[in-house]
Amino acid sequence: EAGVTQFPSHSVIEKGQTVTLRCDPISGHDNLYWYRRVMGKEIKFLLHFVKESKQDESGMPNNRFLAERTGGTYSTLKVQPAELEDSGVYFCASSQDKGRDPYEQYFGPGTRLTVT
Amino acid sequence: AQSVTQLDSQVPVFEEAPVELRCNYSSSVSVYLFWYVQYPNQGLQLLLKYLSGSTLVESINGFEAEFNKSQTSFHLRKPSVHISDTAEYFCAVSDRGSSYKLIFGSGTRLLVRP
Repeated sequence: EAGVTQFPSHSVIEKGQTVTLRCDPISGHDNLYWYRRVMGKEIKFLLHFVKESKQDESGMPNNRFLAERTGGTYSTLKVQPAELEDSGVYFCASSQDKGRDPYEQYFGPGTRLTVT
Repeated sequence: AQSVTQLDSQVPVFEEAPVELRCNYSSSVSVYLFWYVQYPNQGLQLLLKYLSGSTLVESINGFEAEFNKSQTSFHLRKPSVHISDTAEYFCAVSDRGSSYKLIFGSGTRLLVRP
């Protein structure tokens, strides 16, 4: 079974540009989460999808961030325009809605975003 | 709001020595507790979790953690570490009924030396 995948693994962009991060969850996982770790700080929750619906977007920092989940499958996180403070590692995680371990979130390897 | 504190940003230890990584959370409201590990150049992996029941939980590679409600702690321990345990360890909590989003501590880098 394939794990959570994220693309790209690393992105370097200039301030003011747009970047789109992609996450493919484990097949069949209804829950999809985005998290972010800014250098040296804790990993922070951004938002949560259940299928294609946003369940909780309380962690989104501002309206420069837009997340979508087309058809309840993969998800994208767009940053437009990017600012220096957006640099960090963006993690995606997925989990089952029901089942033996509904609470266990499986994480992708992360996308390292560097804004210069 | 929930918060998680990992006081030690880095813990150096010699191989085969015991280690304890400390974790405290802010609320005594019912929570789920987790330890995740990130090995170099890899994603986060679940190491162990406390949902309910026995307060002592164990992982398959020899780590254990004990839920202490009165002290709001979930410290991670291993009696004898290996070089391969070198990684960053994250403590996290999840409020019951809050979409199960995880609230993480700032992480502890465990550096095992030969």
